[in-house]
Amino acid sequence: EAGVAQSPRYKIIEKRQSVAFWCNPISGHATLYWYQQILGQGPKLLIQFQNNGVVDDSQLPKDRFSAERLKGVDSTLKIQPAKLEDSAVYLCASRSAWDRGPEQYFGPGTRLTVT
Amino acid sequence: GNSVTQMEGPVTLSEEAFLTINCTYTATGYPSLFWYVQYPGEGLQLLLKATKADDKGSNKGFEATYRKETTSFHLEKGSVQVSDSAVYFCALRKNAGGTSYGKLTFGQGTILTVHP
Repeated sequence: EAGVAQSPRYKIIEKRQSVAFWCNPISGHATLYWYQQILGQGPKLLIQFQNNGVVDDSQLPKDRFSAERLKGVDSTLKIQPAKLEDSAVYLCASRSAWDRGPEQYFGPGTRLTVT
Repeated sequence: GNSVTQMEGPVTLSEEAFLTINCTYTATGYPSLFWYVQYPGEGLQLLLKATKADDKGSNKGFEATYRKETTSFHLEKGSVQVSDSAVYFCALRKNAGGTSYGKLTFGQGTILTVHP
């Protein structure tokens, strides 16, 4: 079974530029999560999708961050414009709706550096 | 709200030493508890879990017991190896229903380095 795929793996941009990250979850997984992991901290949930609907975006900075999950499969996370404090690793995770167990599967992450 | 506190790191040990990484939590209700590991250059992997009080999770020689009375879930291993060098995260997940089911709350992580 293929795991969660993310791209790009690394991205360097200047502040005020825009950037987008892509995530392809495990096939059949209805729930998708985007986490932000700042260096030295644990991951923090930004947004959670159930199929293509948002169920939790309470910690998403909506003035600059946006996310979508068209057709309930792939997802993109966008930052526009980026700030220095957005430098972090952005993790995507997915979980099966049919498995009520606790398993979330994480992708390798995208490391963003804002200069 | 829910929160997880891990012991300060980094932790540096010699091979075959005993490992303890402390984790305490604050949560309403009865959360599930997890340890995730992040090896260099890789994504987070579930190491072990416990879903109710007094449960012991174990995997790859690591163990952790869900202690409700002390709100703790300390990670232990009797004899560490160089290959255990990684960042370890304690996390909790609320078990009540609702739209945020499945959301994980993580601790800040503990860097473990094991020397030969």
